[in-house]
Amino acid sequence: QKEVEQNSGPLSVPEGAIASLNCTYSDRGSQSFFWYRQYSGKSPELIMSIYSNGDKEDGRFTAQLNKASQYVSLLIRDSQPSDSATYLCAVVRDTGRRALTFGSGTRLQVQP
Amino acid sequence: EAGVTQFPSHSVIEKGQTVTLRCDPISGHDNLYWYRRVMGKEIKFLLHFVKESKQDESGMPNNRFLAERTGGTYSTLKVQPAELEDSGVYFCASSQDRGLGNTIYFGEGSWLTVV
Repeated sequence: QKEVEQNSGPLSVPEGAIASLNCTYSDRGSQSFFWYRQYSGKSPELIMSIYSNGDKEDGRFTAQLNKASQYVSLLIRDSQPSDSATYLCAVVRDTGRRALTFGSGTRLQVQP
Repeated sequence: EAGVTQFPSHSVIEKGQTVTLRCDPISGHDNLYWYRRVMGKEIKFLLHFVKESKQDESGMPNNRFLAERTGGTYSTLKVQPAELEDSGVYFCASSQDRGLGNTIYFGEGSWLTVV
């Protein structure tokens, strides 16, 4: 079992729709959770971080965390073609270390 | 402000040769990380420097990999001798401090192909 699991996609949504990206993790002691966006050939860029159960909203992005079910999700409202990228879920498993454990990423395609 | 810069952006070497990758973190960032993504796999942690000290090198795959950060500024990652399975993209990242809320900034990666 992978430590962080994501559906590789591609997830295809029409422009203006809500894109829902999901991630599950295996280590129940994981402390902090991140969503990175990566355009092809570019660096991963942090778009959301979440540390406690519930929802966290930032503009068109909402991160949701459910530690009991060990999943974290990212919702993108009013999806734009420029949102087309690979979205990486990352987890910090141990606050004594800062190493990020990444999922393999979900490729999102927003159709104009 | 300049971001995390990496050099070279692309490198093709023969099996058995040596390659040295360089990373310049964001100015003032004490924390420097190396990650890599080999073909078809997820990005994996290699090691973490705090200034010039190796804080965590648990992800280094074997002793063919040597990372240094002399003076606590830029870092190098040397692969010697390179093997075919070392092909992939090597990311460097930096952050200002180790707090949970501290953003880790990634460079665009050094793409390594071993033939």
